[in-house]
Amino acid sequence: AQSVTQLGSHVSVSEGALVLLRCNYSSSVPPYLFWYVQYPNQGLQLLLKYTTGATLVKGINGFEAEFKKSETSFHLTKPSAHMSDAAEYFCAVSDRVAGGGNKLTFGTGTQLKVEL
Amino acid sequence: EAQVTQNPRYLITVTGKKLTVTCSQNMNHEYMSWYRQDPGLGLRQIYYSMNVEVTDKGDVPEGYKVSRKEKRNFPLILESPSPNQTSLYFCASRDGQGNSPLHFGNGTRLTVT
Repeated sequence: AQSVTQLGSHVSVSEGALVLLRCNYSSSVPPYLFWYVQYPNQGLQLLLKYTTGATLVKGINGFEAEFKKSETSFHLTKPSAHMSDAAEYFCAVSDRVAGGGNKLTFGTGTQLKVEL
Repeated sequence: EAQVTQNPRYLITVTGKKLTVTCSQNMNHEYMSWYRQDPGLGLRQIYYSMNVEVTDKGDVPEGYKVSRKEKRNFPLILESPSPNQTSLYFCASRDGQGNSPLHFGNGTRLTVT
């Protein structure tokens, strides 16, 4: 079964500083990988995804993530944090199953706080 | 506008009183799913549906029922709610491709006393 580990349930950065949110997965076969963001009182929104091809993936709001097979990681980064980035971030993985019945497994989330 | 709509947003009920949380999507998606979100546990899948009349258990199905009589609707039913079902619930949908992202509703916060 797939599993996802997000290191750090809370991360605090200064406005303008680098954002780094960590995600590691366990799978013998590279899965599909996703990052979602959840703003207060809202559902989750897709930030970016990796399915195949280029391992550096760019998403919305200046975020990007790099798939590293050797490290089984998919860390999320943003060069310069903005106050509006304060939210909870979830990494998720999905196995590559034919027929579309892929199950999405979520990490436990990282709450990002951005300080002035 | 493409969206997943859940109702109600907030629900307070008592132990044992049957309730239904509705979910509807307007994107003609084949796949729909229910999750519950609890602090420190992330999102856990309750049930999912690959298409009309096709449903299956997720990781935490005990105490829940679902049905998929129409493609757009996927209600979550709690026949006899208990306090341990107090949680934030999300409905989500996607098309039939496994690498497609999920579209989420805005959530239903359920409190069972």
